[in-house]
Amino acid sequence: EMQLVESGGGLVKPGGSLRLSCAASGFTFSTYSMHWVRQAPGKGLEWVSSITSTGHYIYYADSLKGRFTISRDNAEKSLYLQMNRLRADDTAVYYCAKDRNLYGSGSLVLDVWGKGTTVIVSS
Amino acid sequence: DIQMTQSPSSLSASVGDRVTITCQATQDINNFLNWYQQKPGKAPKLLIYDVSNLERGVPSRFSGGGSGTHFTFTISSLQPEDVATYYCQQYENLPRTFGQGTRVEIK
Repeated sequence: EMQLVESGGGLVKPGGSLRLSCAASGFTFSTYSMHWVRQAPGKGLEWVSSITSTGHYIYYADSLKGRFTISRDNAEKSLYLQMNRLRADDTAVYYCAKDRNLYGSGSLVLDVWGKGTTVIVSS
Repeated sequence: DIQMTQSPSSLSASVGDRVTITCQATQDINNFLNWYQQKPGKAPKLLIYDVSNLERGVPSRFSGGGSGTHFTFTISSLQPEDVATYYCQQYENLPRTFGQGTRVEIK
């Protein structure tokens, strides 16, 4: 069974940092693009960032550039999101998701999702 | 940015009803359009990809259509387990964007 498990969320003060992790199992992690999507309380879904299977191409939502860094370790079957200079409006559930398309560069078809990890930015 | 506008924002229908949600893009998205279902407190689930392709294991009462900038999502016979919020999403351009969601309830 394909599975994604996020961790690393928590309560952080404005201006602080957090590193989210996503552990993958049940599929060949190194052959799929991976993505982060977030959802603020009571709000809709917002795409955050994507990384291709080899990590060669990386994309971010414009509002996050320079503060968030996506990365992956294919040997460890893990995806990461380093979040710096956090703001109150970064408060959300952060989902890790797998792309459906094998080696899909530029694709965003999210067929496997984790349960999410909650980030709360508050003083 | 490509804006995705769903309508209605919410709807209430009876079990067995046919339900249709529309998703309008601000520019041609070349059929790079997906639909997700999110039940309360759960992660989203992919239902339809690339406009009209039904994801594995998804009941056939769900379907999608459209082209260019105008897309539809239909539940042919609404079931109690379909109570959820539904989102469209485009991946033609960066940033990838979702519609604001349509909440579906049972009357």
